[in-house]
Formats: sequence, C-alpha cells, structure tokens
Amino acid sequence: AQSVTQPDIHITVSEGASLELRCNYSYGATPYLFWYVQSPGQGLQLLLKYFSGDTLVQGIKGFEAEFKRSQSSFNLRKPSVHWSDAAEYFCAVVEGGNTGTASKLTFGTGTRLQVTL
Amino acid sequence: EAGVVQSPRYKIIEKKQPVAFWCNPISGHNTLYWYLQNLGQGPELLIRYENEEAVDDSQLPKDRFSAERLKGVDSTLKIQPAELGDSAVYLCASSLGRDRGTDTQYFGPGTRLTVL
Repeated sequence: AQSVTQPDIHITVSEGASLELRCNYSYGATPYLFWYVQSPGQGLQLLLKYFSGDTLVQGIKGFEAEFKRSQSSFNLRKPSVHWSDAAEYFCAVVEGGNTGTASKLTFGTGTRLQVTL
Repeated sequence: EAGVVQSPRYKIIEKKQPVAFWCNPISGHNTLYWYLQNLGQGPELLIRYENEEAVDDSQLPKDRFSAERLKGVDSTLKIQPAELGDSAVYLCASSLGRDRGTDTQYFGPGTRLTVL
C-alpha cells in the first residue's frame, strides 16, 4: 500500500528565511503528488501538484516543489517565508495514478509551520 | 466561483446522539468525497461518490455512519449514535471526476464535531 511520510511534525522559521518541508512517499508506480496547506479553522488549499514532466513545479504563494524519483521525495520550498505562511502543510499522493481506478488521496500526517517575527 | 460549502462549521453533541453534516460541492463537480481528520493527522477518506453512486465506501464504519447523495449534487453524512471517538473534523471535497489520476480535489472548510 502506498504511504506518505512527513518526518517533521513541527518547524519554526524566522520571517524572511528560506523554508523546506520534507515529504517521502512509498509507491510502486509513478505517483501523482500534491501539497496542500491548511490554516486554522480552514479547509485544505492546493498549493501545487506534480503529474509528469518538469520535476520542479511552481505553485501559488511563491511555493515550489521538486520531485526526485531516486529519493522518493517531493519536498516543498519557499525562498522567503512570510508570517502569513504559518499553517499546517500536508503532502499527499494519489493511489492508482491514471489507471481509471479510484482517485484516492493518501495524506501524510502534516508539518506545522510556525513563523517568528 | 463558490467553493465547497459545508454546514454546520461546528457541532457539539452528547454521546449517543445523532448528528448530520451537509456538503454542497463546486458546481459541475461530479465526484464528492467525505474525509475524517483527527487531531494532528492528515485527512482519511470515508466515502467517495461518482454522481449519486457511492463507489468507494470501504473506510466508512457502516454500523453507525451513513451517507447519501440522492440527486448527485449535495450530500449528507450522518452518525448515529455518536461516540466520544468520533470527535474530529469532517471534510468534504469535490472534483470534476473526468480523469482519475490528475483529478484535483477541492476541499471545504470542514465541520468540527465535539462529542461530550
């Protein structure tokens, strides 16, 4: 079965500093990968997604992520963090890919980002 | 364009009471999902609908949970009777449903349930 690991439960960075959130997946075929952000009391908002092609994908709010097949990773990065980026970040992978079967998202346990001023 | 709408946003009930959550997906989205999110965890799929058909309900505890999407648009998730362990956030999501692999899911704000 597929799985997603986010090894960092909680990260604190200073405003203006760079950010990298780690995500590792376990999946036999080529995965479809997603990063979502969840602010307190809010639903999940899609930041970016990777299906194929260029392994560096750009998302909203200045975020980017790089797919590295050799490392089974899809880490999220941002060059300069803003205080409003404080939230919970979830990495997710689709089971089944483009096989016509269920589009079932499997989520990691999340990384809580705290931004200090 | 309006996003996924859920109500209520918060619900507090006593154990053994019934509770229901409502979801209205984005217009034109054929696929609807209900997720359970426990504190400190990622969401876990409970049930997925393709139009009015429940195509994946393998993770739905059918002894106490039920769901319906009668006209293939909005949906209701019910718990009867609620238990203390049901305290969580219940998220609804929708997607176009045209391409299984690349189908992006859009989430509502969720209903936070507290069972006392």
